[in-house]
Amino acid sequence: GEDVEQSLFLSVREGDSSVINCTYTDSSSTYLYWYKQEPGAGLQLLTYIFSNMDMKQDQRLTVLLNKKDKHLSLRIADTQTGDSAIYFCAERYSSASKIIFGSGTRLSIRP
Amino acid sequence: DSGVTQTPKHLITATGQRVTLRCSPRSGDLSVYWYQQSLDQGLQFLIQYYNGEERAKGNILERFSAQQFPDLHSELNLSSLELGDSALYFCASSVGGDLNTEAFFGQGTRLTVV
Repeated sequence: GEDVEQSLFLSVREGDSSVINCTYTDSSSTYLYWYKQEPGAGLQLLTYIFSNMDMKQDQRLTVLLNKKDKHLSLRIADTQTGDSAIYFCAERYSSASKIIFGSGTRLSIRP
Repeated sequence: DSGVTQTPKHLITATGQRVTLRCSPRSGDLSVYWYQQSLDQGLQFLIQYYNGEERAKGNILERFSAQQFPDLHSELNLSSLELGDSALYFCASSVGGDLNTEAFFGQGTRLTVV
């Protein structure tokens, strides 16, 4: 079946690292994405990883992919107040041209 | 700014009515995707068009329809509206219609059915 799961909430202290986790079910997915949605705004593509990669780093963002466990994570280093948002994990299937989203993780930053 | 434009930003209408949401993709993008984001259903893929043709269909109700015009803009038509149709409707666009392209999202149209 098609399912992408994420925890709903994460709270971190400003300056610490945030790690948002995601699990997916379809091993044939080719692209895995992280999107950010700020309050009242649309979705912004943060980063993506091909399914044949294990890790991708882009400035403060690090994506780790464990294909065996179908587990994807997004690490945000030195978390800032501007990182407060909902983060969506998504996978794109090889068998159909559509993207399946997780429910989103709401990241809140405490001082 | 993703380059994807959606209008209107907000829409309030009554049950039983019909509305049309409009999306202009990024320049050069041939694919348009429609998504619905509601509190109880999360983010759901509705439908994709590529260069005027329907490419993929997701959880789109029969009361909903979409089309992509020759200038590549797209419209999502929602009819016989129900309270449960209240949601944020996103459009996204990408260059290609296959799997090896990124999709960029518009700001969304917030539909409230009263």
